[in-house]
Formats: sequence, C-alpha cells, structure tokens
Amino acid sequence: GQQLNQSPQSMFIQEGEDVSMNCTSSSIFNTWLWYKQEPGEGPVLLIALYKAGELTSNGRLTAQFGITRKDSFLNISASIPSDVGIYFCAGSGGSNYKLTFGKGTLLTVNP
Amino acid sequence: GAVVSQHPSRVICKSGTSVKIECRSLDFQATTMFWYRQFPKQSLMLMATSNEGSKATYEQGVEKDKFLINHASLTLSTLTVTSAHPEDSSFYICSARDAGPQGSTHEQYFGPGTRLTVT
Repeated sequence: GQQLNQSPQSMFIQEGEDVSMNCTSSSIFNTWLWYKQEPGEGPVLLIALYKAGELTSNGRLTAQFGITRKDSFLNISASIPSDVGIYFCAGSGGSNYKLTFGKGTLLTVNP
Repeated sequence: GAVVSQHPSRVICKSGTSVKIECRSLDFQATTMFWYRQFPKQSLMLMATSNEGSKATYEQGVEKDKFLINHASLTLSTLTVTSAHPEDSSFYICSARDAGPQGSTHEQYFGPGTRLTVT
C-alpha cells in the first residue's frame, strides 16, 4: 500500500526560528494536505495543495506540492510558542477520497 | 465554516457494554465521513469510510460487527463500539469531506475526537 515518509520526527527550536518539514511518498498523490494537531484535539487543516508545483501560503505557513507529485514540504516562518503541536502531512489520490497520513512531526518551540 | 463536532468528548464505560459516538458536520453537508483511531504518539489509523445512505467500507483488520457505523443523514454519522473491552480504549476521531459545489474536493475536516476508556 501507499506509504508516506515524514521527517523530521521531532524538532526543538527557539522562538523566531524558521521550520521546515517534508513528506515523501512511494507513489503519486493528486492532493497533499497539511494538518496540525494539538494534544487531545482533532487535526486542523492548514493548507491543501491540488496541483503539482503549487506553492501556497497561509499566514506564516508555506507549503509546496512537489513536481513529481510524490512529495510536499511545509515551512513555518518566525515560529511562535503557539506553533507547538504535531504536524501531519496527508496524501489523497483515489476516487474513494481516503487520506494516507505521515507519522507526524512533533514541534516544540522554546520561548 | 467546515466545522465538525463529536459527542461525547470523553466516555468511560465498563467492559462488555456498548458506546455510541456521534459525528456531525455543522455547516456543510457531508456525503462521506471517515472514522479514525489514534493511539498515543501515533498517527491516525483509518477504520472505515461512511457513505450517506449506504453501508460503510471497513479497512482491513477492522471488525465491522464490533464497530458499527451508521450514516443516516448528510450531517450525521455514528460509530458504536459494541461489547467494548479495555483494548478498545483509544482516541476516536471522525472527519467529514465537504463535497463542495463540484464534488471533487479531497479536504477532510476533523472533529475534536472522543476519548474512550473501557474499564
């Protein structure tokens, strides 16, 4: 089946630093989604990407859909303490609309 | 927009009893809802896909007779954990797909989750 490799597994950064995380897949996806999950909550959709090569921003967040359709990255600029959480990438490609999730990147921001 | 609610947020039940979890899309119609299970420090594991007006599609290894899913309307899906056992204790999360005007969006919006503890 499809697998997503998400890296890094965890990051410890200082407030104000930029962050980058990425996902790679063994197969092609038509859609890439990035979610953030805080403890005890459901994931919240941050950015959705639909076209290969697409670069989309949402405030301090920027994500790109790789040209090969097998990868995506998420950048967070000027991190703040409330950016703390687990970030998941997810790919979708079939008519059943199921998502394949990465294992997540745990982000810790030190004030 | 795109708000999904779940009820209850937490439930504790005794082994052998059944528990029902509700998932509602509050401001959009969802022809497709999904049920996930998440263990601590792990990613989301898809359990089943729930389609309005038809039987749910279960992922491999998920017992359909144990995890009953009903999607009776475009805004409500329910998951019933039957004859619950301690190993069923987990964080259950639903999501809903906003079909959108052209019915092609892959975006899923998640509920806040239900923490189930079976004693």
